Formats: sequence, structure tokens, C-alpha cells
Amino acid sequence: KAGVTQTPRYLIKTRGQQVTLSCSPISGHRSVSWYQQTPGQGLQFLFEYFSETQRNKGNFPGRFSGRQFSNSRSEMNVSTLELGDSALYLCASSPWNTDTQYFGPGTRLTVL
Amino acid sequence: QKEVEQDPGPLSVPEGAIVSLNCTYSNSAFQYFMWYRQYSRKGPELLMYTYSSGNKEDGRFTAQVDKSSKYISLFIRDSQPSDSATYLCAMSATTGFQKLVFGTGTRLLVSP
Repeated sequence: KAGVTQTPRYLIKTRGQQVTLSCSPISGHRSVSWYQQTPGQGLQFLFEYFSETQRNKGNFPGRFSGRQFSNSRSEMNVSTLELGDSALYLCASSPWNTDTQYFGPGTRLTVL
Repeated sequence: QKEVEQDPGPLSVPEGAIVSLNCTYSNSAFQYFMWYRQYSRKGPELLMYTYSSGNKEDGRFTAQVDKSSKYISLFIRDSQPSDSATYLCAMSATTGFQKLVFGTGTRLLVSP
């Protein structure tokens, strides 16, 4: 089976812009979670989608949003980018939201 | 204070050494404990998963959980250069892998 894929792998944006990141889960997986990874804070949970519904949400501002499509693919959007949003954004999928998560390679976002 | 504390390292050891990696946490509600390994430019991969207190062994890896002390450990026996990576502890209060709280990771370097 193909693993979790994330596109794009690298992205450079400027402050105030918005960005959309994409995640394709492993075939058959219905749960997709998003995490932000920075050197100072480590991995922080953003949100989790299961069958197109947001089931859990972390402590991030409303500028961070996401959605999941009927084919389980997921997107996350960050509006009005700030310098502090520079991070590795990781997507993880699992068959159900209580199962082992498999992580993608991440999208490296740099905000200038 | 962060919910999960982990020494960032780097921890440098010679090949064949026994490695001890540790995390402390403050939330007594955590019941599920995981260890992930992350190679450079890759997403984390699950190494060990334990529920509540006790030990779990898998090959060269042993995970220990001491809930009374709010302390978890990962031991790697006969360490190999291929074990060089960042090791992340993670925990959850809910069933399985929902809303994981991660440590910042410990970078391990195993020299030949």
C-alpha cells in the first residue's frame, strides 16, 4: 500500500497570505489528523477528521482550519499567515480514530 | 510548564551501548503512552505503544511506564548507527491515538 502523501513538500509564503496543504491518507483509512511541528514546541495537535467530520480540535486560533472529503483526502488552510506559522505540518491517517496513526513526510512551510 | 517534558539532547553513544530515553508528564489523566522515531525529513513512525503502567518489550526496545511517578522510558539495547534519529514520546488521555500530546523529542546519535 502507498503511504500517506502530502503536497506540496515545501512552501514559501509571505506574511498575510493564506496557504492550503493537502493530505492523501492510506487507502481505506478514514481518520486524518494534522499536527504542527516546531523546534520549540514539538508536535502539536491541530485537528482530526473522521468521515468528513471534525472530531477533535487542538488549541490553535481560528486561522487554522481544515476539511475532509468523501474520499478521505484532507486539506488544511491557514489564513493571514504569521512568521510563527513557519513549521513542518504533518498529516497522519488511521483506519479508525482509535488506531495506530501513520504519518506522512510533512509539508515544510516557511513564512517570510 | 509543558504537559510533557523531554530532554532535547543530543545524546551521543557508541554502537552497542544501552540507550535510555525518558519523558515526564504532569497530566494524571494520561493512560496511553507511545514512543515514535523520526528520521530527518521523514514523519514519525510508531515504535512502542503501552496502556497504563508496566513494561513492554519488542526486540531491542523496551518501554516502561510508571504512572505513580509520571515518568516513562524507552530503552534500546545493542544500539546501532541506524538508530540515530529523534525519539518522541507521546501520550493521550482518551482511547487510543486521539489528541496526542507529544514531547519535543530527544535526538540520538549512535557512532560506529
